[in-house]
Amino acid sequence: QKEVEQNSGPLSVPEGAIASLNCTYSDRVSQSFFWYRQYSGKSPELIMSIYSNGDKEDGRFTAQLNKASQYVSLLIRDSQPSDSATYLCAVNRWDYKLSFGAGTTVTVRA
Amino acid sequence: NAGVTQTPKFQVLKTGQSMTLQCAQDMNHNSMYWYRQDPGMGLRLIYYSASEGTTDKGEVPNGYNVSRLNKREFSLRLESAAPSQTSVYFCASAGAASGNTIYFGEGSWLTVV
Repeated sequence: QKEVEQNSGPLSVPEGAIASLNCTYSDRVSQSFFWYRQYSGKSPELIMSIYSNGDKEDGRFTAQLNKASQYVSLLIRDSQPSDSATYLCAVNRWDYKLSFGAGTTVTVRA
Repeated sequence: NAGVTQTPKFQVLKTGQSMTLQCAQDMNHNSMYWYRQDPGMGLRLIYYSASEGTTDKGEVPNGYNVSRLNKREFSLRLESAAPSQTSVYFCASAGAASGNTIYFGEGSWLTVV
């Protein structure tokens, strides 16, 4: 079992719709969770971090964490063409090394 | 406002050649990382340094060596490059001052022929 798994995608959504990205992790003691966005040919950039169960909202982005289910998700509301990118889920392991999922590619259709 | 700087940005090597990827950060971070990214594989940790003078193997360390020269610099060396090491390499750093968020350099595209 991979440490961090994401829905494989690609995910295509129309402009203005909600994009929903899912991530599960295997290490029960993980405490920190991150979503990174990566444009083609660029380095990953942090868009959200979440540490407690529940929802965290930042602009059009909402991260949701459920530690009991070992599940973290990212919702992108009112999707824009500029949101087209690969989204990487990352989980801080017990040894403080950050483990990444393979990423989900999102395409927003104008 | 440099953040994490890595060089070179692009490099082509012949099989068996050696090279060193350089990385420096100016955010006073304790932790530094080297990742590689291959299509469909996500980011995989090669080596990690929790602080100056310490290094630790990550998920895919074979064929690589690292040096944490000081708090700012963390280099990655390929002693005898192989085609399987063709990849994009990212250096990253993290520290308490930035909430332990990992910040990435711009990447180094390495091709081994």
